Amino acid sequence: NAGVTQTPKFQVLKTGQSMTLQCAQDMNHEYMSWYRQDPGMGLRLIHYSVGAGITDQGEVPNGYNVSRSTTEDFPLRLLSAAPSQTSVYFCASREDRDFTDTQYFGPGTRLTVL
Amino acid sequence: DAKTTQPTSMDCAEGRAANLPCNHSTISGNEYVYWYRQIHSQGPQYIIHGLKNNETNEMASLIITEDRKSSTLILPHATLRDTAVYYCIVRRPNAGKSTFGDGTTLTVKP
Repeated sequence: NAGVTQTPKFQVLKTGQSMTLQCAQDMNHEYMSWYRQDPGMGLRLIHYSVGAGITDQGEVPNGYNVSRSTTEDFPLRLLSAAPSQTSVYFCASREDRDFTDTQYFGPGTRLTVL
Repeated sequence: DAKTTQPTSMDCAEGRAANLPCNHSTISGNEYVYWYRQIHSQGPQYIIHGLKNNETNEMASLIITEDRKSSTLILPHATLRDTAVYYCIVRRPNAGKSTFGDGTTLTVKP
């Protein structure tokens, strides 16, 4: 298994540009989520999904859209990039079949908005 | 999900046990305690979880108080590679969103 993959690894945007961060998992996990991590800070939940066709907002959803058309993919869209969105973005998936509740994280996308 | 409180930072000498506390005084009966760690620039990694019994695996031990209002993650022989941010999370398994706090930055010193 590749686990959770994210592309791109690095991205530089100009203010106002839009882009999509890709996330895919091959573990057949129902739950997927996106977090952002600012320098020196913890992880903050942006959006999450408990299955294909179902998404919901997390702690900091403004400026981001998500969709979940398949179990495997959970892209994050930045609608109009702002310097405040400069951060590291992590995608995660979780196995909900037992009580282990372990989350698996991707390597992250480092985004800079100028 | 119950809120957790962790110290911002801790130091530990290499080879000694690292004891990381977590307070979760509002924990509910069906909520588990989960620990993750994040080594610099990487995605967080699961360490261990428990409900009310103490747990041990190859990475760490988890001690949960009898009233379940606090817990301690123990790294028995800390190495420099254990320097990381450690997150304590309390939540019901298989139940919706997972949120992380700011965690504890553990620095293992030679």
